[in-house]
Amino acid sequence: EAGVAQSPRYKIIEKRQSVAFWCNPISGHATLYWYQQILGQGPKLLIQFQNNGVVDDSQLPKDRFSAERLKGVDSTLKIQPAKLEDSAVYLCASSPYTGGGTEAFFGQGTRLTVV
Amino acid sequence: AQSVTQLDSHVSVSEGTPVLLRCNYSSSYSPSLFWYVQHPNKGLQLLLKYTSAATLVKGINGFEAEFKKSETSFHLTKPSAHMSDAAEYFCVVSDTGGFKTIFGAGTRLFVKA
Repeated sequence: EAGVAQSPRYKIIEKRQSVAFWCNPISGHATLYWYQQILGQGPKLLIQFQNNGVVDDSQLPKDRFSAERLKGVDSTLKIQPAKLEDSAVYLCASSPYTGGGTEAFFGQGTRLTVV
Repeated sequence: AQSVTQLDSHVSVSEGTPVLLRCNYSSSYSPSLFWYVQHPNKGLQLLLKYTSAATLVKGINGFEAEFKKSETSFHLTKPSAHMSDAAEYFCVVSDTGGFKTIFGAGTRLFVKA
């Protein structure tokens, strides 16, 4: 089966610019996650969707980050305006399960560099 | 509150020798625990998971981990390292009662020929 697709793979922007990332999860997966992975650290959960509803966005910096999941399938993550500290790899993952305690399938990520 | 601590940021072994990557966790609920591997420029891949069944969990590529509640540990082992095992490994705790998932900081495994 096809895996989680993310685009773009790489993005370089100047601070204060806007950027958007796109994720297409595995077909039929109810749960979708966005993680931020800063160099040298483990991934940090930004937001978790179950179908098209948000179940956890407690670590999403809502003053600059936003995310939506269209019709419970594809998702976009936006940063506006970007800061230098937003430089990271943004990982999308999906899971066929709902609730906690379940494994996820990860995309290859989008590497964002803010200069 | 949940947390996960990977006790070593780097581990170096020789090919053919055993691998031990250490992970301690803290959870208010009955946790699910996972190990993921991340090869350079590749996505995270699930190695194995513990979800309150057998405490010794076998995963892919010869890896296994043992859940020890008394020690709050979930260490990852492999009897004999292969060059292809060189990667970053993440221990993950997830709250089965809710939706919190937390990654450890990662352990980079180096395998010497």
